[in-house]
Amino acid sequence: KQEVTQIPAALSVPEGENLVLNCSFTDSAIYNLQWFRQDPGKGLTSLLLIQSSQREQTSGRLNASLDKSSGRSTLYIAASQPGDSATYLCAVYGANSKLTFGKGITLSVRP
Amino acid sequence: EAQVTQNPRYLITVTGKKLTVTCSQNMNHEYMSWYRQDPGLGLRQIYYSMNVEVTDKGDVPEGYKVSRKEKRNFPLILESPSPNQTSLYFCASSPRAGALGTGSGNTIYFGEGSWLTVV
Repeated sequence: KQEVTQIPAALSVPEGENLVLNCSFTDSAIYNLQWFRQDPGKGLTSLLLIQSSQREQTSGRLNASLDKSSGRSTLYIAASQPGDSATYLCAVYGANSKLTFGKGITLSVRP
Repeated sequence: EAQVTQNPRYLITVTGKKLTVTCSQNMNHEYMSWYRQDPGLGLRQIYYSMNVEVTDKGDVPEGYKVSRKEKRNFPLILESPSPNQTSLYFCASSPRAGALGTGSGNTIYFGEGSWLTVV
């Protein structure tokens, strides 16, 4: 059974800092991995999708990498801003058409 | 505008009173799914559908039913709700599923969520 882990559960950083959020998964037989953002009381917004054959994807200040063989992904946020404060979830899409989520990392960026 | 719409957004109901949470998407997506989100447990999949008339159980299907009679709609039915079904529910859709769903355009879209309280 696929398990997705995100550690730590919460992170607080000063504005302007570059930061890395980690995600690990136990079964490397995945189709893709996605990073989502969730604001309090809201739905999830997809940030980046990395196919299993890709190593990384970039969107603005965000860069996500995937190392399928080691079961790891990172989300890099450059020059963090208070507006980046949210919960970030990673999810892997496996061979059984199932999307398995991590529990998320709650990020607080202090002005 | 591309969107996934859930209704109701907020509901307080009593144990045993059947209810339906509707979900509709306007993107002609094949794949739709339901999740519940609980503190400390994260998002867990309830049911999913790979296309019309094709549904399957996720991780926590007990106490729920679904149907997919039309491509755009995927209602979640609680036949006899119980307090342990108090949760935040999300519907989601994506263009394809399985091996076909690996393209860069297979982003998953989520609804805004439905807060359900069963007393």
